[in-house]
Amino acid sequence: NAGVTQTPKFQVLKTGQSMTLQCAQDMNHNSMYWYRQDPGMGLRLIYYSASEGTTDKGEVPNGYNVSRLNKREFSLRLESAAPSQTSVYFCASTPTVNTEAFFGQGTRLTVV
Amino acid sequence: QKEVEQDPGPLSVPEGAIVSLNCTYSNSAFQYFMWYRQYSRKGPELLMYTYSSGNKEDGRFTAQVDKSSKYISLFIRDSQPSDSATYLCAPLGLFTGGGNKLTFGTGTQLKVEL
Repeated sequence: NAGVTQTPKFQVLKTGQSMTLQCAQDMNHNSMYWYRQDPGMGLRLIYYSASEGTTDKGEVPNGYNVSRLNKREFSLRLESAAPSQTSVYFCASTPTVNTEAFFGQGTRLTVV
Repeated sequence: QKEVEQDPGPLSVPEGAIVSLNCTYSNSAFQYFMWYRQYSRKGPELLMYTYSSGNKEDGRFTAQVDKSSKYISLFIRDSQPSDSATYLCAPLGLFTGGGNKLTFGTGTQLKVEL
């Protein structure tokens, strides 16, 4: 069982470059989420998709865009990377409401 | 005010100690209260959860919720070095558009020393 798979695991970008973080889940979950985790800040929600075809902003959406490509895949795009976006990014999914979230292994992104 | 407050630690205890990890929250609408455990360089994994007020025990772990004071606790008995991780509390709400609203505390880093 793969669960939630994120690619890439590591990435170094130069300021101003763009990139897309990929996330796929094979558990037929309805909802998917993108978080960033910074020291002392916990997990902060960037965007989420409650169901296929819908996306909404979370706590820290500025500088990011998302696409719910289908039920399995939810991508996060940085159009013009900034050093403040250096972080560990986690994708998560949940099957229905009031249930646990399953997380990917994270993407460590450094913007120089 | 943040919705969930958690002491980030780090907390260092000797093997066998009883550990108490705590969170406070501000949103009285939260009904489910989850604890996630995150090992270094890994994604969080659900450890246990409780519904509404009361206690729930799972082996060496006990989760406790006091909704009147908006206080969440996780107790670890007979702590082991393998318990060394970051523990995140996560009260669960619902987005108006559907889907789970997972609001995480900052996490408490725990180290259990031999």
